[in-house]
Amino acid sequence: SAVISQKPSRDICQRGTSLTIQCQVDSQVTMMFWYRQQPGQSLTLIATANQGSEATYESGFVIDKFPISRPNLTFSTLTVSNMSPEDSSIYLCSVAGGLAGQGTDTQYFGPGTRLTVL
Amino acid sequence: AQKVTQAQTEISVVEKEDVTLDCVYETRDTTYYLFWYKQPPSGELVFLIRRNSFDEQNEISGRYSWNFQKSTSSFNFTITASQVVDSAVYFCALIGANSKLTFGKGITLSVRP
Repeated sequence: SAVISQKPSRDICQRGTSLTIQCQVDSQVTMMFWYRQQPGQSLTLIATANQGSEATYESGFVIDKFPISRPNLTFSTLTVSNMSPEDSSIYLCSVAGGLAGQGTDTQYFGPGTRLTVL
Repeated sequence: AQKVTQAQTEISVVEKEDVTLDCVYETRDTTYYLFWYKQPPSGELVFLIRRNSFDEQNEISGRYSWNFQKSTSSFNFTITASQVVDSAVYFCALIGANSKLTFGKGITLSVRP
């Protein structure tokens, strides 16, 4: 499976500021996703990051709050904008499908970014 | 719509005990995949196993085994001779025709020495 890294691994931010999280994969992948995991909760899909076009957002998530970029097949960013304490969560990126024809049904996850908003 | 139910929320066992984590799913798709992921205290999500809907063979990998039964829509996970390093949150998940991964709420397993 691909090696996935995320930066930063954790951060403490002030209310009203924005934070950009990076996700880097060591090989080209077809699909990249962003998830949020609120404290003590399960994972919720924020959006699918599409290479070269706008991300596809899930219900309840909007581009103004969570802008996403995916400039190529190995890199994506998620920005959490105008943060409030309710945004305190773990944010995880996941990838699926290598370009060697591997299926896209299995997602592998990055180590996550622990965000605390004061 | 698809749904994954992990009715157990927290399980505590003593080292070397066997433990089974339950997972029940709902989907209208005929082709789907089931997964188990492990999330240790460090936070990363570790892929453990994938099962497709046409393969009901049980699988064993070391101390881990999985029992997939379509008749009861269940995909249970057993850890034999549990160890302290097994302490984590375990998520069952499903992906169907909409290509979106649906997670259960997770089970927190604590293994005491």
